Amino acid sequence: GNSVTQMEGPVTLSEEAFLTINCTYTATGYPSLFWYVQYPGEGLQLLLKATKADDKGSNKGFEATYRKETTSFHLEKGSVQVSDSAVYFCALGRGAAGNKLTFGGGTRVLVKP
Amino acid sequence: NAGVTQTPKFQVLKTGQSMTLQCAQDMNHNSMYWYRQDPGMGLRLIYYSASEGTTDKGEVPNGYNVSRLNKREFSLRLESAAPSQTSVYFCASFRDPGGEAFFGQGTRLTVV
Repeated sequence: GNSVTQMEGPVTLSEEAFLTINCTYTATGYPSLFWYVQYPGEGLQLLLKATKADDKGSNKGFEATYRKETTSFHLEKGSVQVSDSAVYFCALGRGAAGNKLTFGGGTRVLVKP
Repeated sequence: NAGVTQTPKFQVLKTGQSMTLQCAQDMNHNSMYWYRQDPGMGLRLIYYSASEGTTDKGEVPNGYNVSRLNKREFSLRLESAAPSQTSVYFCASFRDPGGEAFFGQGTRLTVV
C-alpha cells in the first residue's frame, strides 16, 4: 500500500536559517505529492503540490521537487521566519474523484528570533 | 467564505456515551472526508464520501459511523465512545480534480 515517511521533529532553527524537511514515499503508479502546513490551533492547509515527476511546487518561499528516481519530495526554504513555526505534513494522493490522501507523521518546526 | 466548518471545537465524553461531530462545506465539493490526528501518526482516514449518497470506509473505521446528509454536510457519529477514540478529528472536502483538500479547524475529543 501507499506510505509516506518524513523526518521526525521537532526541528528548531534560528530566523533566516535554511530549512529542509525530508519526505520519501512508497506508492504504485504516479501519485500526486503535497505538503500541508498546520499552524497552532488550526486545520491543515495546502502549502504546495506537484503532480508529476520533476515538477517543482512552490509557495511562500517554500519549494519541493517531485523526484521519482529517489521517491522523494523534500521541502526547503532558504530563509525561515518566526511565522513559519508550524507542523508540516507530506502527503500523497491520486487524482480523480475519491482522492484519498496518505499522510506522513508530521514534522514540527520551531523558528526562534 | 466559510470553507469547512466543524462543530463542536472541544468535547469531553464519558466512556460509553455517544455523540455526533458535524461538518459542513460551502464550496460545492463532491468529496468529503473524516480524519483523526494522533501524535506522531499523522492523519488517518476514518470514512469518506465521494459524492452525495455514498460513503466508504477508510483506514480506521471501527467504532464510527457517518452520514452524508446532503452535498454540504457530512457527520461522524461515535455510538459508544472509548478512551482509544481520544483524538483530534478533522473534516475535509476535496476539490475534484486536482486533489486539493480544505480542512476544518478540528474537534478535540477526550473520552474519559
